[in-house]
Amino acid sequence: KAGVTQTPRYLIKTRGQQVTLSCSPISGHRSVSWYQQTPGQGLQFLFEYFSETQRNKGNFPGRFSGRQFSNSRSEMNVSTLELGDSALYLCASSTGLAGGLETQYFGPGTRLLVL
Amino acid sequence: AQSVTQLGSHVSVSEGALVLLRCNYSSSVPPYLFWYVQYPNQGLQLLLKYTTGATLVKGINGFEAEFKKSETSFHLTKPSAHMSDAAEYFCAVSDRAGGTSYGKLTFGQGTILTVHP
Repeated sequence: KAGVTQTPRYLIKTRGQQVTLSCSPISGHRSVSWYQQTPGQGLQFLFEYFSETQRNKGNFPGRFSGRQFSNSRSEMNVSTLELGDSALYLCASSTGLAGGLETQYFGPGTRLLVL
Repeated sequence: AQSVTQLGSHVSVSEGALVLLRCNYSSSVPPYLFWYVQYPNQGLQLLLKYTTGATLVKGINGFEAEFKKSETSFHLTKPSAHMSDAAEYFCAVSDRAGGTSYGKLTFGQGTILTVHP
């Protein structure tokens, strides 16, 4: 089975721009979670989508949004980029059917640099 | 709210020595517990997890961890370190039930393991 894929792998943007990141989950998985990883704050949960619905979200401003399509692929969008948004953005997929005990399978991440 | 503390942001061992990475959680109800490893420029890979049952959990690459409820700990060990074990290790927890359990892992700050020849 193919793993979780994320595109693009690297991205450079300037402050004020917006960006869209994409995540394709493992085939058959219906849940996609997004995380931000920075040296200062570590790994932080952004939100989770299951069957095109957001089921859970972390404590991030409204500039961070996401969506999920009927094929379970997910996108996250960050509007009005700030320097502090520079980070590795990871997505993870799971079946979404077993709650907190499920294993999440992570993609390689998208590294975003905001100048 | 849950929290996870990993004692020691950097751990250095010699090849063949015992690896011990510490993790403590703070939660009124014992959560599900996970250890992940991250190699440079890669995503996270699951090493092992504890959900229910036997408190000593064996994972991949010779790692194991023991859930100790009385100590709210879930330390990761490996009897003999290998050079290929050099990476960053993350302890994580998730809620057992409810809306906050969906797709959300709460991570510790990570421990970078260095293995010396």
